[in-house]
Amino acid sequence: ETGVTQSPTHLIKTRGQQVTLRCSSQSGHNTVSWYQQALGQGPQFIFQYYREEENGRGNFPPRFSGLQFPNYSSELNVNALELDDSALYLCASSLDRDTGIYEQYFGPGTRLTVT
Amino acid sequence: GQQVMQIPQYQHVQEGEDFTTYCNSSTTLSNIQWYKQRPGGHPVFLIQLVKSGEVKKQKRLTFQFGEAKKNSSLHITATQTTDVGTYFCAPANQAGTALIFGKGTTLSVSS
Repeated sequence: ETGVTQSPTHLIKTRGQQVTLRCSSQSGHNTVSWYQQALGQGPQFIFQYYREEENGRGNFPPRFSGLQFPNYSSELNVNALELDDSALYLCASSLDRDTGIYEQYFGPGTRLTVT
Repeated sequence: GQQVMQIPQYQHVQEGEDFTTYCNSSTTLSNIQWYKQRPGGHPVFLIQLVKSGEVKKQKRLTFQFGEAKKNSSLHITATQTTDVGTYFCAPANQAGTALIFGKGTTLSVSS
């Protein structure tokens, strides 16, 4: 059983640019969530995808968007990057939500720096 | 919106001492999860509590869910240097689509 993987590990972008982060879910998981973790803070929920549809969204602007693919891998896209977008971006997969089991299996994260 | 407060924010102990972190919510929670994040690492699931008054143990770790399901605690007996990290309590939001994380409690242990 493979765990959650994310790419790239680190990324440096300039303000105004666009970025795409990628995540492969743990085998057997069909729900993926994305979180933003600023330094010294807890992860903040961005959105969740379930069976390729957005299933919930946190307090993030529309320039944060995502996709989930048929193989349950996922992308997080951020447009018009701002300095405050600098953070660790975590992907988390979980088992079928219909069972009511919600423990999240987090990937190692992508450290994004916006200059 | 739904929020949780964890106290203390930081705790330093000598190896062998006990440690407790408390998690409080102003609203009744359907369930609560606990995660540990090592320095430079990612959150790792520890446990989920669902029932009022539930107590679960994992070796030296004891987790409790309050009778009113508004608070929870994690107690570590005889801390070890491997316990270093930030411990987060995280209830699910009402829709069950997200975890609500606070700032966590950062534990440091000196030998």
